[in-house]
Amino acid sequence: AQKITQTQPGMFVQEKEAVTLDCTYDTSDPSYGLFWYKQPSSGEMIFLIYQGSYDQQNATEGRYSLNFQKARKSANLVISASQLGDSAMYFCAMKKTQAGTALIFGKGTTLSVSS
Amino acid sequence: NAGVTQTPKFQVLKTGQSMTLQCAQDMNHEYMSWYRQDPGMGLRLIHYSVGAGITDQGEVPNGYNVSRSTTEDFPLRLLSAAPSQTSVYFCASSRQGGSYGYTFGSGTRLTVV
Repeated sequence: AQKITQTQPGMFVQEKEAVTLDCTYDTSDPSYGLFWYKQPSSGEMIFLIYQGSYDQQNATEGRYSLNFQKARKSANLVISASQLGDSAMYFCAMKKTQAGTALIFGKGTTLSVSS
Repeated sequence: NAGVTQTPKFQVLKTGQSMTLQCAQDMNHEYMSWYRQDPGMGLRLIHYSVGAGITDQGEVPNGYNVSRSTTEDFPLRLLSAAPSQTSVYFCASSRQGGSYGYTFGSGTRLTVV
């Protein structure tokens, strides 16, 4: 069965600094997909970035990048140049099946950005 | 384009009452799924569907029923509400393959007293 582990309940960073949010995963499927979602205090779930297990390069989307280390089964989210608006809960997730029928989530990391 | 619409946004139930949380999407997505979010637990998968007429159980299915008679709608039924079902419920949908990201509804905050 798939499992996502996020070991950092809370992280603190100052504006304009970079921050890394950790995510490790476990799966026996050779083909899988990993996601990061942001949940601000308003509660909506915002899709940030996706990494497929066969993708040759690490995914990037603007200030977000995914540090994908397949052998270590880690998929850390890197946020460059943090902004106050980055303060939120961040969830790492994995496709439940190779077909991607649903998601399995980690418990989340709360990021606080200060000025 | 409304995306994923969940109703109601808030609901208070008494123990033992039944109700249906509605979820509708207008993106012609094949996959739909329900999650509950509890403090410190992340989002946990309740039920999911890969298409009309096909549903399956997730991590925490007990106490919930689903059906998918159309591509657009995926309602979640609580048969006899319990205080342990107090939670925030999210519905999500995705195109086949799932690589495109899952679109989430805005959530339903349910309190069972």
